[in-house]
Amino acid sequence: SQQGEEDPQALSIQEGENATMNCSYKTSINNLQWYRQNSGRGLVHLILIRSNEREKHSGRLRVTLDTSKKSSSLLITASRAADTASYFCATGLGYNNNDMRFGAGTRLTVKP
Amino acid sequence: KAGVTQTPRYLIKTRGQQVTLSCSPISGHRSVSWYQQTPGQGLQFLFEYFSETQRNKGNFPGRFSGRQFSNSRSEMNVSTLELGDSALYLCASSLGTATYEQYFGPGTRLTVT
Repeated sequence: SQQGEEDPQALSIQEGENATMNCSYKTSINNLQWYRQNSGRGLVHLILIRSNEREKHSGRLRVTLDTSKKSSSLLITASRAADTASYFCATGLGYNNNDMRFGAGTRLTVKP
Repeated sequence: KAGVTQTPRYLIKTRGQQVTLSCSPISGHRSVSWYQQTPGQGLQFLFEYFSETQRNKGNFPGRFSGRQFSNSRSEMNVSTLELGDSALYLCASSLGTATYEQYFGPGTRLTVT
């Protein structure tokens, strides 16, 4: 069953703009991870944020986590056409296993 | 370091047949997880293996099974294929616990006719 739900389902922006995607989940988590997928290919890991962290940065990516609201956001700054992809959040439920539940994803299109 | 590899990349089978997919994790990774991705259901967790033992299992019928070898390579088997089994099957490896990132392979695209 799905755990996370991304919002919006689709997002279209111009190159240079910022893109914000949100993820909500239902149960307590150990960590939350964001992945990118290009057109039915494998997923690329972007950022992992642990439940005791509130914000994390990696290059043009910024992830926030609010465990009280059971939500996370992914911000991509100064977007590029190459950022066009589907973005998924995944929640890690267990501490000793990799049972991860993915949301349905946000389809981001960055127009040149 | 080589990434996660999956073989074959594409596969076409007919209903009722069985199929075996293979996944080789990143060197040193002991955990291998399998996921099924379809347009309708999205990414769904199948099962995870760690040190040759199944640690967790998703909500899939018994036709879906797997195993892991001593070198951490993993295979997934689907018996009595159904049309609905057509999907992209992804495997992911990690060092071992949910506090580590999972690294995904390119996937095996299975088409059942």
